[in-house]
Amino acid sequence: DAKTTQPTSMDCAEGRAANLPCNHSTISGNEYVYWYRQIHSQGPQYIIHGLKNNETNEMASLIITEDRKSSTLILPHATLRDTAVYYCIVRVAGPMDSNYQLIWGAGTKLIIKP
Amino acid sequence: NAGVTQTPKFRILKIGQSMTLQCTQDMNHNYMYWYRQDPGMGLKLIYYSVGAGITDKGEVPNGYNVSRSTTEDFPLRLELAAPSQTSVYFCASRPRQGTNYGYTFGSGTRLTVV
Repeated sequence: DAKTTQPTSMDCAEGRAANLPCNHSTISGNEYVYWYRQIHSQGPQYIIHGLKNNETNEMASLIITEDRKSSTLILPHATLRDTAVYYCIVRVAGPMDSNYQLIWGAGTKLIIKP
Repeated sequence: NAGVTQTPKFRILKIGQSMTLQCTQDMNHNYMYWYRQDPGMGLKLIYYSVGAGITDKGEVPNGYNVSRSTTEDFPLRLELAAPSQTSVYFCASRPRQGTNYGYTFGSGTRLTVV
């Protein structure tokens, strides 16, 4: 079973910041938090990942709480093209750290409204 | 770079037929994965490979087989198609150990078994 909890759906106005929450209360100290999104039946797209510190890239920012039990993905200026299902995933390490697996939940359907 | 290429994009199979879903990547990624996604659900891992000649089972391997004779190719074989295998199949790849890059996904194969 997935180790994360996300809201089923969210709305956001175009041009505003979209804040997507994720709970991962059982996360281990060496487990990363990954975010992907899937736009209408396309293959998932990597967005960002983090361990302890907040992260930012050209797509989004990731804020991880100090206790690491939750995180928030922030899309700073949402556009209609950001409408997608967003997946928050905790990276499960395999027998070797190199072959980690991702356990996917159902994600959050984010709808950007004009 | 073409990234991850999957063929075919769509296929209808009759119960009991067999087929191979093709996946190739031109990024020299060591790790490759096959997922299936049922409607409204997250992805479930079928098989994965950490390099040529090495494959391992994921969460839902029954009814499928894989091979990895080259770094580039990772075909998925369905031997006796069943209605329960109706799904969208995604292939993904990522760089080797020591990096934390996200997965790169193909555009998917939509399979219907009737």
